[in-house]
Amino acid sequence: GENVEQHPSTLSVQEGDSAVIKCTYSDSASNYFPWYKQELGKGPQLIIDIRSNVGEKKDQRIAVTLNKTAKHFSLHITETQPEDSAVYFCAASLGLYNFNKFYFGSGTKLNVKP
Amino acid sequence: DTEVTQTPKHLVMGMTNKKSLKCEQHMGHRAMYWYKQKAKKPPELMFVYSYEKLSINESVPSRFSPECPNSSLLNLHLHALQPEDSALYLCASSHDLTGTSYEQYFGPGTRLTVT
Repeated sequence: GENVEQHPSTLSVQEGDSAVIKCTYSDSASNYFPWYKQELGKGPQLIIDIRSNVGEKKDQRIAVTLNKTAKHFSLHITETQPEDSAVYFCAASLGLYNFNKFYFGSGTKLNVKP
Repeated sequence: DTEVTQTPKHLVMGMTNKKSLKCEQHMGHRAMYWYKQKAKKPPELMFVYSYEKLSINESVPSRFSPECPNSSLLNLHLHALQPEDSALYLCASSHDLTGTSYEQYFGPGTRLTVT
């Protein structure tokens, strides 16, 4: 089955700096890649996603890039703010070929220092 | 509106109790999911329902029994749980499993403690 690896496991940045989290996947048939932010005591919140037919997607301060050849995708957060502190999970899915099952990475704890 | 609600927020139960977790969405989604999340780990899929029918059971022990009474509601019935079942139980929904919309929206979860 699909295997998703996520790095780093923890990331500490100064407010205003950029943060990058990277994920690799193993199954070339995966075609959907969401990113979730989970704050303490809350459920995961979808923050951005990308399909396999797109190389990059941006939404204000966050962006996701996908390299299908290398089978990796990354989350970029610019101008980080303390409220960006949370655990971030990447995921890969074969979409409807596998009942939309998500394979999650192990998570990255982002700490933005004021 | 992308809201999924779950009740209760917290639940403490003994190993001989029977309890139920509830999940509700009013987005018109026809696929619903149960996940289990242990501390500092990603969510683990338990069950997937599509159009009120069970599509996936990820080899979950029978002490967890899901139910989808209608397109807006998803229940998880719990019986004879073990302390290691203590976790955050998350519900999610997505448009359906037949189209091209894959986004899953999660609820806030129920924090379950088994004593």
